[in-house]
Amino acid sequence: EPEVTQTPSHQVTQMGQEVILRCVPISNHLYFYWYRQILGQKVEFLVSFYNNEISEKSEIFDDQFSVERPDGSNFTLKIRSTKLEDSAMYFCASSDYRATEAFFGQGTRLTVV
Amino acid sequence: KQEVTQIPAALSVPEGENLVLNCSFTDSAIYNLQWFRQDPGKGLTSLLLIQSSQREQTSGRLNASLDKSSGRSTLYIAASQPGDSATYLCAVRPETSGSRLTFGEGTQLTVNP
Repeated sequence: EPEVTQTPSHQVTQMGQEVILRCVPISNHLYFYWYRQILGQKVEFLVSFYNNEISEKSEIFDDQFSVERPDGSNFTLKIRSTKLEDSAMYFCASSDYRATEAFFGQGTRLTVV
Repeated sequence: KQEVTQIPAALSVPEGENLVLNCSFTDSAIYNLQWFRQDPGKGLTSLLLIQSSQREQTSGRLNASLDKSSGRSTLYIAASQPGDSATYLCAVRPETSGSRLTFGEGTQLTVNP
């Protein structure tokens, strides 16, 4: 069964460092998303991406964040200068069309120290 | 702003019991609603997607209902098993052009053998 894969599963980084989280969406999907879940809190939307551009972003997704689809299979989230409060589980998701069923990856646990 | 609430926050039942998880949302202008399962430290597994025009959706022992006008959905689990132990999340997608999912905080289910 097709699935969304994320790497790494866990990343520890020092405050102020840049991190790139990687995702391989399901191959025939057109919409890609990043969500995050701070420990003990709700899953929160960050950004959606379609046709090589951001289609929607939340107020969390400020200038420190960027997304990219560098090739035909990968989708990345970059955090330019990490803060302690960026520590969270980051989930990538994809769907075949805008409002259809979203499939999530296993997540990358980011710990900023 | 859409708010999603799930009741109860936690539920513990003996194996074999039928149970109902509740989800409510403040803005009834939704396109669809998706139920997920989350195991500890893991990703989100999609269980059911129910469109705003539907009243019910079934998958195996799971049945989701939707009452859009009253802002409520329920997830019915029949003949619960210990393997059903997980956190169950509901998420709604807006009618408007956005594709983001807004999540509830989840119901943590424990099924005791």
